[in-house]
Amino acid sequence: DGGITQSPKYLFRKEGQNVTLSCEQNLNHDAMYWYRQDPGQGLRLIYYSQIVNDFQKGDIAEGYSVSREKKESFPLTVTSAQKNPTAFYLCASSPGGWTRDEKLFFGSGTQLSVL
Amino acid sequence: AQSVAQPEDQVNVAEGNPLTVKCTYSVSGNPYLFWYVQYPNRGLQFLLKYITGDNLVKGSYGFEAEFNKSQTSFHLKKPSALVSDSALYFCAVRAMNYGGATNKLIFGTGTLLAVQP
Repeated sequence: DGGITQSPKYLFRKEGQNVTLSCEQNLNHDAMYWYRQDPGQGLRLIYYSQIVNDFQKGDIAEGYSVSREKKESFPLTVTSAQKNPTAFYLCASSPGGWTRDEKLFFGSGTQLSVL
Repeated sequence: AQSVAQPEDQVNVAEGNPLTVKCTYSVSGNPYLFWYVQYPNRGLQFLLKYITGDNLVKGSYGFEAEFNKSQTSFHLKKPSALVSDSALYFCAVRAMNYGGATNKLIFGTGTLLAVQP
């Protein structure tokens, strides 16, 4: 999947618990993204980062948090404030995030379920 | 509002027959359009894109897409379907603002392509 590694593949969350999804890329890409995929709803953007130490909210950022301390890493934390966290989470990257014809490279995803 | 519509949840086609997966979009200005494919429990893979130029765009695995500005459509096509083409297909358009294209992609809801042997 283009040099992007997501872990774990499956994750279970208990009530009131924060969980962190890992995303690492070795493509030397500047931009990284987190999407949430629900059946019949397509992909929705949670957060994105165009450069280290900077990130922006997407369409559904509430209940989530991110950090971008290193170029190759963009972890996503699903907090207890996210009341409906069950979904398939996809991390993606692109070379610069600035050019209009850039394509995204995706990881294999993490399936998060609530216990 | 900017959006992408994929009107068919599922498309069924027999192996060897031509296939079409439909996509229409709504954005201001010139659109930047993409198709991605997703195999079960995997991430999305890029298939092709339209930025400017010829209305017929060729991509990976023998797929092509036809851009039609008057109908605001970007349908995905393949002359002869394979069983291995069975997957979930997403159309996407780059969101625009007053400054032009942004780095945000708007995805459709996806169309499941089922190719029967």
